[in-house]
Amino acid sequence: GESVGLHLPTLSVQEGDNSIINCAYSNSASDYFIWYKQESGKGPQFIIDIRSNMDKRQGQRVTVLLNKTVKHLSLQIAATQPGDSAVYFCAENRAGGTSYGKLTFGQGTILTVHP
Amino acid sequence: SQTIHQWPATLVQPVGSPLSLECTVEGTSNPNLYWYRQAAGRGLQLLFYSVGIGQISSEVPQNLSASRPQDRQFILSSKKLLLSDSGFYLCAWGPNLNTEAFFGQGTRLTVV
Repeated sequence: GESVGLHLPTLSVQEGDNSIINCAYSNSASDYFIWYKQESGKGPQFIIDIRSNMDKRQGQRVTVLLNKTVKHLSLQIAATQPGDSAVYFCAENRAGGTSYGKLTFGQGTILTVHP
Repeated sequence: SQTIHQWPATLVQPVGSPLSLECTVEGTSNPNLYWYRQAAGRGLQLLFYSVGIGQISSEVPQNLSASRPQDRQFILSSKKLLLSDSGFYLCAWGPNLNTEAFFGQGTRLTVV
């Protein structure tokens, strides 16, 4: 569920390294998950998504992994670049029920890439 | 292509004054619409979402209200602002239920 009100965790990496950002979700009824990137002063931007019938999905330099057993989602960024520095949020959407269509965000992680 | 417009970008309002933030979407019909608030250095808190005209779901009890007078218009309002209403307000739209949402550029509200 939502973890608002908490200070965001941080991840610092060197340019060129791979980054892994993790997210835990609590609603087992969620069947669609999204990763967003938010740069300072801007709205979040869509990065990649995955549905619950998949375990892994790859994009350009990014991979999302979904473990439904432990309700865990991760975003892997390959060859991290300074331009990847931002806050990363996972979000979940639930199919059916009274919360159908409600997009709920996770806590967020601040990624800092050092040149 | 679809676009989302949110204004104003920044707003400074005195305590007790009213608020009206407007969000419009172009290039699509019957979108899901969302209002989120983000405190400095924090996550996104879902305030309201709407799946159709006149249909508003409120997520947290608060000093704010939302309305959807037209299919692609979503308004966030308050009759009397509190200091705690300060934050970064984001409007978003989604093309269907159970899909991603696309965000506007946000309004930074400072209540003084």
